[in-house]
Amino acid sequence: GQNIDQPTEMTATEGAIVQINCTYQTSGFNGLFWYQQHAGEAPTFLSYNVLDGLEEKGRFSSFLSRSKGYSYLLLKELQMKDSASYLCAVRDSGNAGNMLTFGGGTRLMVKP
Amino acid sequence: DAGVIQSPRHEVTEMGQEVTLRCKPISGHDYLFWYRQTMMRGLELLIYFNNNVPIDDSGMPEDRFSAKMPNASFSTLKIQPSEPRDSAVYFCASSQYLQGSNQPQHFGDGTRLSIL
Repeated sequence: GQNIDQPTEMTATEGAIVQINCTYQTSGFNGLFWYQQHAGEAPTFLSYNVLDGLEEKGRFSSFLSRSKGYSYLLLKELQMKDSASYLCAVRDSGNAGNMLTFGGGTRLMVKP
Repeated sequence: DAGVIQSPRHEVTEMGQEVTLRCKPISGHDYLFWYRQTMMRGLELLIYFNNNVPIDDSGMPEDRFSAKMPNASFSTLKIQPSEPRDSAVYFCASSQYLQGSNQPQHFGDGTRLSIL
């Protein structure tokens, strides 16, 4: 099985930088995804990591350390519209295909 | 391109009634997933299909839940009889999969189900 942990809530200020951490335990790691979910809406794909290191996409970056079972999502130049839940999801190589296990999500509140 | 399409968007019904949720995946995607999301339990995988065949239904809570995928463009999730604890948002997602690829799952807008 898999165990995925992320903080329940975080608060940050508009224009600042915030880092959302995710730790996981899996028998056969095969990729980690970050999704954004605004209240009342569907999760939308943000980023993917399968090798160690940093992946950058505009204001968003995601980091992975496979040896530590650790990832983070970094949001720069925070905007009010970034207030949402951020879901970490892990794909296990033992699964038959593209099955993901999701963490409980981190609700980020951006304040003016 | 059209995304994953779910219907209905909202459903309110009385306990004991049959509920049918529908999903049309993105054309060309060979995987389809049904999830349930609640505040208490987060996003839980119920069942998923590959090429219309159910692969893992271990997340289906009990025999009251059933899912079918009669063809590549349509799937249903049924609850019969429904109970108040089934109230949740139900998401359908689809994806392509290549070993080691970054093909994400694409989610529909969900069905908000309330059982009275």
